[in-house]
Amino acid sequence: DAGVIQSPRHEVTEMGQEVTLRCKPISGHDYLFWYRQTMMRGLELLIYFNNNVPIDDSGMPEDRFSAKMPNASFSTLKIQPSEPRDSAVYFCASSLDWDSPQETQYFGPGTRLLVL
Amino acid sequence: KNQVEQSPQSLIILEGKNCTLQCNYTVSPFSNLRWYKQDTGRGPVSLTIMTFSENTKSNGRYTATLDADTKQSSLHITASQLSDSASYICVVTHYGNNRLAFGKGNQVVVIP
Repeated sequence: DAGVIQSPRHEVTEMGQEVTLRCKPISGHDYLFWYRQTMMRGLELLIYFNNNVPIDDSGMPEDRFSAKMPNASFSTLKIQPSEPRDSAVYFCASSLDWDSPQETQYFGPGTRLLVL
Repeated sequence: KNQVEQSPQSLIILEGKNCTLQCNYTVSPFSNLRWYKQDTGRGPVSLTIMTFSENTKSNGRYTATLDADTKQSSLHITASQLSDSASYICVVTHYGNNRLAFGKGNQVVVIP
């Protein structure tokens, strides 16, 4: 398996523009997670899905952020409109059975977002 | 206040030496505690996972310990190698709602 795939790897945009990040989880994994990482705040969980259904979106910072998972092999994280403070590395991760206490997550390479 | 505190924030060690990273947490009750290794420019990779009933877990030269009574965990790196240079992140899962609390990481630099 190719692992978790994210695109684009880098994104530079101007404030106010819409940004869409994409993720393909590992085949067969039922859980998908979106994270944001910054130097100041470290790693933060934004939202996670189980079987394409959003389970916990309490980490989504505000209404400008939205995430969808239309099928088991694809998810998007959208920021509209983007702001400079959204600049961060966004990771997608997937897991086979997150409810199992010994289960691990597999992270993608991340998308480095810079909003000017 | 962050529910997971890691120390030291950063450290430099000589190749071949051992080092220990600390993670103190206040999450209660907790389900499990994970240590991740994150190389620069890459996503985190799971090193160890311990439930509340486990005291120690090893993964090669990495050994994690857990004291659920004092709410402390440590990650010991034995005979460090240059490839151990990375950030090590402690993550605690809240029992019940599965919410995650993240430490900000220990930045380790191994020099020859």
